[in-house]
Amino acid sequence: DTAVSQTPKYLVTQMGNDKSIKCEQNLGHDTMYWYKQDSKKFLKIMFSYNNKELIINETVPNRFSPKSPDKAHLNLHINSLELGDSAVYFCASSQAQGSTEAFFGQGTRLTVV
Amino acid sequence: KQEVTQIPAALSVPEGENLVLNCSFTDSAIYNLQWFRQDPGKGLTSLLLIQSSQREQTSGRLNASLDKSSGRSTLYIAASQPGDSATYLCAVAGGNQFYFGTGTSLTVIP
Repeated sequence: DTAVSQTPKYLVTQMGNDKSIKCEQNLGHDTMYWYKQDSKKFLKIMFSYNNKELIINETVPNRFSPKSPDKAHLNLHINSLELGDSAVYFCASSQAQGSTEAFFGQGTRLTVV
Repeated sequence: KQEVTQIPAALSVPEGENLVLNCSFTDSAIYNLQWFRQDPGKGLTSLLLIQSSQREQTSGRLNASLDKSSGRSTLYIAASQPGDSATYLCAVAGGNQFYFGTGTSLTVIP
């Protein structure tokens, strides 16, 4: 039973399209995150939510909009996709904000063509 | 702002060798430090978690140490195996997020 699951695993789409990535955790954690991994494998935070409330919103274009319908879900919607958005996006969760063990999903490899 | 650095960026060793991966961080006000493994095209697998009050953690052939005051952690892998080949990432918890290092790409040659 996967702790943090993301869908889809792979996403290939054309420039200008709008797409969503879904994330669910069954660990009962209060905090969820979205991280972006670039081509050099560096992971950088994009957003974090605690109990459905936005806590961190790093310097991310407003084409990216997270939505947390409940504390077990944090979805990422991306408008008007650009070539530079191609990356691997990871969802994660932890019991508390940036202070307890982090659990990561398997990642979504987004390719914009 | 927390900055995490890992040295070396890449490491290649023959099977059976013991090895050490290094992680350093600039702000010692951390809650914990976590070591992850990432296989090509895969997600992050948590290996060890060290709380800020702890000095080390062990799991099988892996031993991680933490020196918070000097901003350093090491991951020791004993008797390396080809299956250990992967990218190893350290992450520091603090400031409501996890700060990642740049990773060490490990290749164990049979």
